[in-house]
Amino acid sequence: SQKIEQNSEALNIQEGKTATLTCNYTNYSPAYLQWYRQDPGRGPVFLLLIRENEKEKRKERLKVTFDTTLKQSLFHITASQPADSATYLCVLLNDYKLSFGAGTTVTVRA
Amino acid sequence: GAVVSQHPSWVICKSGTSVKIECRSLDFQATTMFWYRQFPKQSLMLMATSNEGSKATYEQGVEKDKFLINHASLTLSTLTVTSAHPEDSSFYICSARPGLSTDTQYFGPGTRLTVL
Repeated sequence: SQKIEQNSEALNIQEGKTATLTCNYTNYSPAYLQWYRQDPGRGPVFLLLIRENEKEKRKERLKVTFDTTLKQSLFHITASQPADSATYLCVLLNDYKLSFGAGTTVTVRA
Repeated sequence: GAVVSQHPSWVICKSGTSVKIECRSLDFQATTMFWYRQFPKQSLMLMATSNEGSKATYEQGVEKDKFLINHASLTLSTLTVTSAHPEDSSFYICSARPGLSTDTQYFGPGTRLTVL
């Protein structure tokens, strides 16, 4: 069966450190992978998209890697800030539909 | 940027009543809109895909007679939960895809439904 697995544990880090989130998938052949941010009681907000032929993508303090051989994406938040505290969702496009991971909740301590 | 709104943001209703949730794309035309449901601590699950002017396509396990979707215009889709029961209580989120895009979906802020 198809699965998208993210860090099951919540991630607590100190302000200024780098948060690294993992997304592993099985039985998908996604054309691309996206990362979204979701705050409590809110809809997801798009952050980054990385295509299957791209290894790495950056946007400000965010970096995403995509390894189609390992079927894994890593999402990094550098120089983290308390405002980065949220749940981060790994999302695959498969058959023109989005499939979501359950998310990893990041808490950045001041 | 592209904005999608939902109304209401939250609703409480009695068991057996019907509830309508609206999803609007405010500054773009959405050929396709999607409806998702999210239970606490779980991922978003796609319920149905609707294209303007045609019938919605429902995911396996989603009752189309219970969750009525109407995509009457390029900026508005509605989800009606008919004869709601407590197990329908959830967070309902819509998204909209601009006409020429296959990659991008813009999400609404969600609607919290509580059925008593």
